[in-house]
Amino acid sequence: GENVEQHPSTLSVQEGDSAVIKCTYSDSASNYFPWYKQELGKGPQLIIDIRSNVGEKKDQRIAVTLNKTAKHFSLHITETQPEDSAVYFCAASPPNTGNQFYFGTGTSLTVIP
Amino acid sequence: DAGVIQSPRHEVTEMGQEVTLRCKPISGHNSLFWYRQTMMRGLELLIYFNNNVPIDDSGMPEDRFSAKMPNASFSTLKIQPSEPRDSAVYFCASSFSIGTYEQYFGPGTRLTVT
Repeated sequence: GENVEQHPSTLSVQEGDSAVIKCTYSDSASNYFPWYKQELGKGPQLIIDIRSNVGEKKDQRIAVTLNKTAKHFSLHITETQPEDSAVYFCAASPPNTGNQFYFGTGTSLTVIP
Repeated sequence: DAGVIQSPRHEVTEMGQEVTLRCKPISGHNSLFWYRQTMMRGLELLIYFNNNVPIDDSGMPEDRFSAKMPNASFSTLKIQPSEPRDSAVYFCASSFSIGTYEQYFGPGTRLTVT
């Protein structure tokens, strides 16, 4: 089955700096890649996603890039703010699996004011 | 829309007791997923339903775990008997199964088995 690896496991940045989180996947057929943000005591919240027919997607300070050849995708957060501090999860979804997601192990992001 | 609703939010029980977790998916969604989250294993998919039918329960750890979805607006995850190693946060998520893929998570149930 699909295997998703995520790095780094922890990341600290100064407020205003950029943060990058990287994921790799094993199943070249995977065609949907969501990113979730989980704040303490809450459920994961979808923040951005990308499909395999797109190389990059941006939403304000958040962007995701996908390299299908290398089978990796990344989350980029620019102009980080303290409220961006959370755990971020990537996931990959192969077709014909009933929308099943395979999650990475998470990245704990701390934005230092 | 109220989003995915889970109850209870916290559950503390003694080993050997039966535990039932409940989930109400977003209205109109026809896929429902149960996940377990622990520090050691991260987010694990336990089981998912499509149109109220269990599709894949290969993630259910043992026969002590069972899940049902009697109708489109309600699902339960039952652990009987519970054990301390079942302590975790259990999430329910729902999505449309055709055309879009976003899964929306509930707030979770934090289960502690003593």
